[in-house]
This record gives sequence, structure tokens and C-alpha cells, in this order.
Amino acid sequence: GAGVSQSPSNKVTEKGKDVELRCDPISGHTALYWYRQRLGQGLEFLIYFQGNSAPDKSGLPSDRFSAERTGESVSTLTIQRTQQEDSAVYLCASSLYREKLFFGSGTQLSVL
Amino acid sequence: SQKIEQNSEALNIQEGKTATLTCNYTNYSPAYLQWYRQDPGRGPVFLLLIRENEKEKRKERLKVTFDTTLKQSLFHITASQPADSATYLCALGINAGNMLTFGGGTRLMVKP
Repeated sequence: GAGVSQSPSNKVTEKGKDVELRCDPISGHTALYWYRQRLGQGLEFLIYFQGNSAPDKSGLPSDRFSAERTGESVSTLTIQRTQQEDSAVYLCASSLYREKLFFGSGTQLSVL
Repeated sequence: SQKIEQNSEALNIQEGKTATLTCNYTNYSPAYLQWYRQDPGRGPVFLLLIRENEKEKRKERLKVTFDTTLKQSLFHITASQPADSATYLCALGINAGNMLTFGGGTRLMVKP
């Protein structure tokens, strides 16, 4: 596609449920990032994938969070046993070179 | 600890004036600094990148400066327009690291 695509755009879930967020990066982009943005806040780094290298998971806030990426294509971010504090916009970005990121429009997650 | 600080208060200016936004950082030695624009409900959009050995970068009505001694970047929009109203985020990157670290952003409001 022309840009980074994320789905769903909105997700409402109950506390304790698992959710899965999807990101389709720009074709050919080797790097993929997940960030979290709480209301009125900046972007909080979660995880980074670069080609077939081991991902940088240093930003994942707890073991309830995990992410996968198949090769240089789709990535999924999974949050298990969601908590209200997980409510935020989850942004995915991809890049060809590390320096310039292209972002999707994000998934607004609301945990009731 | 490492910090990136942007003025959390909104900047209100009159159309036609120059808007100046500040990004200060501590305990970083960034190889480059980027500025992004973010509109409500959208992901950030890349605007400019400036490297540590560059003092100034321009693109149309935008100008970025980078002072590694003061640990500060200034982002200027000349002849501002209401369409420039958005949140502007600065981000730092280091060569050895994987993640781009973002500041909290400053909201700019340009009044006609």
C-alpha cells in the first residue's frame, strides 16, 4: 500500500481480555516500530524490528505485552489481560533507513 | 536520567508571525534530531532531520537549528498560517541505538 496501515482503528475491550493490534508497513521497509501515546502525551517506545535481527523489546512495559513480525511484513502487537492503564493510542511506524519514520494513524484502545 | 523537554503549554500566535518551538535534552549525545508534525487523530508526519554536525537546516518556511553545546533545538515556522496549527514533536536518535526517542510535543495554534 501507499502508507502504513493499522487495524482496527478503534478497539473497545473489557478489562482482563486479550487484544491483538495489526500493522501493515510500507512495502520494502525493513524497520518497524511500535509506540504508545497516552492522551496528551508524547510517544513511548515499545518495540523495534529490523529485518531478521532479534527485536529490541526494551520498551515493553510488562510481560503482558508481546509483538511479532513475519519477515519484513505484517506485525501484530498483543496485549494480554488488558488493564485500564493500557488505554492509549498504539502507533506503528516503518522506515527504510532508521532515520525517517512513516507512521500509521494508530489504534485507539479503550479498556473499560 | 535522559530527558527530552518540549513546552507542554500551547503556543498561540497570530497569522503571519514566526512561530518558534523549543526542544531541550539532557544526558543524551544524539547523532541526529528530527521534527514531526501531528494532527489530531493522526500519526506523526516527518518534517526535518538535522545531524549533530549541522547547525541549521531549512525547508520552505521551516527552519531547524541544533546546538549540541546548549543541548537544544529550535524549530521555526515563518509566515505562519492557521493550517500550521498542530502538535510538533522533536525526536532524538543515536547511531548505536535502535529507538527514536520523542519529546512530549508542543501544540501550536495560529490564529487568523
